[in-house]
Amino acid sequence: GAGVSQTPSNKVTEKGKYVELRCDPISGHTALYWYRQSLGQGPEFLIYFQGTGAADDSGLPNDRFFAVRPEGSVSTLKIQRTERGDSAVYLCASSFSLAGGNRELFFGEGSRLTVL
Amino acid sequence: DAKTTQPPSMDCAEGRAANLPCNHSTISGNEYVYWYRQIHSQGPQYIIHGLKNNETNEMASLIITEDRKSSTLILPHATLRDTAVYYCIVRVGGSARQLTFGSGTQLTVLP
Repeated sequence: GAGVSQTPSNKVTEKGKYVELRCDPISGHTALYWYRQSLGQGPEFLIYFQGTGAADDSGLPNDRFFAVRPEGSVSTLKIQRTERGDSAVYLCASSFSLAGGNRELFFGEGSRLTVL
Repeated sequence: DAKTTQPPSMDCAEGRAANLPCNHSTISGNEYVYWYRQIHSQGPQYIIHGLKNNETNEMASLIITEDRKSSTLILPHATLRDTAVYYCIVRVGGSARQLTFGSGTQLTVLP
């Protein structure tokens, strides 16, 4: 389809393991965003890319979290040494970055991470 | 970005208008009001946005007070599929910066 695609949709892992979550944005969208959402809460901002570079990574909770977008399209969120508190739905969104535009964010369905 | 305040939950009868309020008393002159909604187990979805004039699209209407300190999202004929969490967000116009979500309003449309 033409929407934002996230894989895997569900991931169960054990405490201490390494996890990668992938986001494939809408073609042509130069801005890409990662959020995480815990049960009953609104989405919490993690990091925002403009092209290949991270324009704002102030939402990453600690150095176990890292994200890349090497070719300015697909992005991978990487979590090292996972902890039970990392369990959440990780949402990816993309948008156009044209000046003066609406810059509506289009969200994927999310990747549900469960750390046992 | 300015902070918003929304009621945690609201009910609405199917077929009636749903009016969702939002307070944003510290909004700046260059900040727009955006509304998104999130249906259970899905990602948030854009609904509408505005600066100071009332706006309408195929999904909803947005009424912004003259002093811009509050707004109301109106779903004219609510259906069961409109049951969702509705988020009111303010953000500088034309900015590609991230949206900052609050807790939103859980709207339940009752049959």
